[in-house]
Amino acid sequence: AQSVTQPDIHITVSEGASLELRCNYSYGATPYLFWYVQSPGQGLQLLLKYFSGDTLVQGIKGFEAEFKRSQSSFNLRKPSVHWSDAAEYFCAVVNNAGNMLTFGGGTRLMVKP
Amino acid sequence: AAGVIQSPRHLIKEKRETATLKCYPIPRHDTVYWYQQGPGQDPQFLISFYEKMQSDKGSIPDRFSAQQFSDYHSELNMSSLELGDSALYFCASSSPSGRRTDTQYFGPGTRLTVL
Repeated sequence: AQSVTQPDIHITVSEGASLELRCNYSYGATPYLFWYVQSPGQGLQLLLKYFSGDTLVQGIKGFEAEFKRSQSSFNLRKPSVHWSDAAEYFCAVVNNAGNMLTFGGGTRLMVKP
Repeated sequence: AAGVIQSPRHLIKEKRETATLKCYPIPRHDTVYWYQQGPGQDPQFLISFYEKMQSDKGSIPDRFSAQQFSDYHSELNMSSLELGDSALYFCASSSPSGRRTDTQYFGPGTRLTVL
């Protein structure tokens, strides 16, 4: 069965500092991976996705993620965090049939001024 | 660009009542997914439809049923509501390629509160 783990429940960074959110997956075949962001009371917005090819993928809002098969990881990064980035971030993997996303537990990001 | 529309955005019900949530996918999307997100939880997959047929089923209680109509909108029907059904219910849609690479685009969610 597929699973996603986000080891960090909460992360606090200062505005302007760099950010890395961790994501580890368990999947028997080639994983198709996603990062979504959820602002309080809002829906899920797709930040980026990885299917194949270049292991470093660029997303919206200045985010990027790197797929590392050897470490079963798909960590999300941003070089300089803005206060508006405060939100909950979810890593997810889709199943073989492509009709079910399995989410990690989420990481809540807080940004200090 | 048009997004997924969910209605209502907020719903308050009493225990043992019924509720119907509606989802209107992005135009030309024919696949719809339903997820439930409890307080402080990650979204959990409930059920999905492709071309009006159920394509997969997750942890959906027997008290819940769903369907997709000819115009591709979907409805989630919830009966005998329990306090534990209080959650944010998301609908997502994807384009009609039927491939694993399809991206799911999420609606804003319906917040259901059961009193």
